[in-house]
Amino acid sequence: AQKITQTQPGMFVQEKEAVTLDCTYDTSDPSYGLFWYKQPSSGEMIFLIYQGSYDQQNATEGRYSLNFQKARKSANLVISASQLGDSAMYFCAMREGPGGGYNKLIFGAGTRLAVHP
Amino acid sequence: DTEVTQTPKHLVMGMTNKKSLKCEQHMGHRAMYWYKQKAKKPPELMFVYSYEKLSINESVPSRFSPECPNSSLLNLHLHALQPEDSALYLCASSQPSMRGGGGPSYEQYFGPGTRLTVT
Repeated sequence: AQKITQTQPGMFVQEKEAVTLDCTYDTSDPSYGLFWYKQPSSGEMIFLIYQGSYDQQNATEGRYSLNFQKARKSANLVISASQLGDSAMYFCAMREGPGGGYNKLIFGAGTRLAVHP
Repeated sequence: DTEVTQTPKHLVMGMTNKKSLKCEQHMGHRAMYWYKQKAKKPPELMFVYSYEKLSINESVPSRFSPECPNSSLLNLHLHALQPEDSALYLCASSQPSMRGGGGPSYEQYFGPGTRLTVT
């Protein structure tokens, strides 16, 4: 069965510093995808970044990068130059499927990030 | 535009009430999702519609009834709910997107949610 593990319930980082949020996964499917979502206190889940299992390079989106280590089954999110607005809950997720035109996401438990001024 | 809208933002209802949650997207996505999220927990999938047909029902109690009137709209009809159904209800939509290797990414775009309180 597919599984996502986030072992850090909470993290603190100083503004303008980089922070790494850990995510490990387990799957026997050779074709899979990994996502990171941000959820501020307002509740909306915001898509940040995606990594496909066959990607040779780590995904990057602005200040977000995904440190993909396939052999270790890890997909850590790196946020560079943290900002106060980065304070939120962060979820790692894996695509189960694909099915017929949709996917099913398996979520980790989440990591709450607090950015201090 | 990656916007999914949900109404209402907040809803308080009694256990005997009937209410509906609405979700709308105009991104041309053909898959739409309902999630339930309790405080400090990840979202739990409830229903998936693909091309306006119900594709997944995660054994959700019948007091929750989804409806997809067209490709842009998704409703969740609520009847005879219990206090433990109080939660944040999130709607999402997706479409295939070739962001990288491993097949289409199908990243889901979420709405702001409806905070439901059952009294």
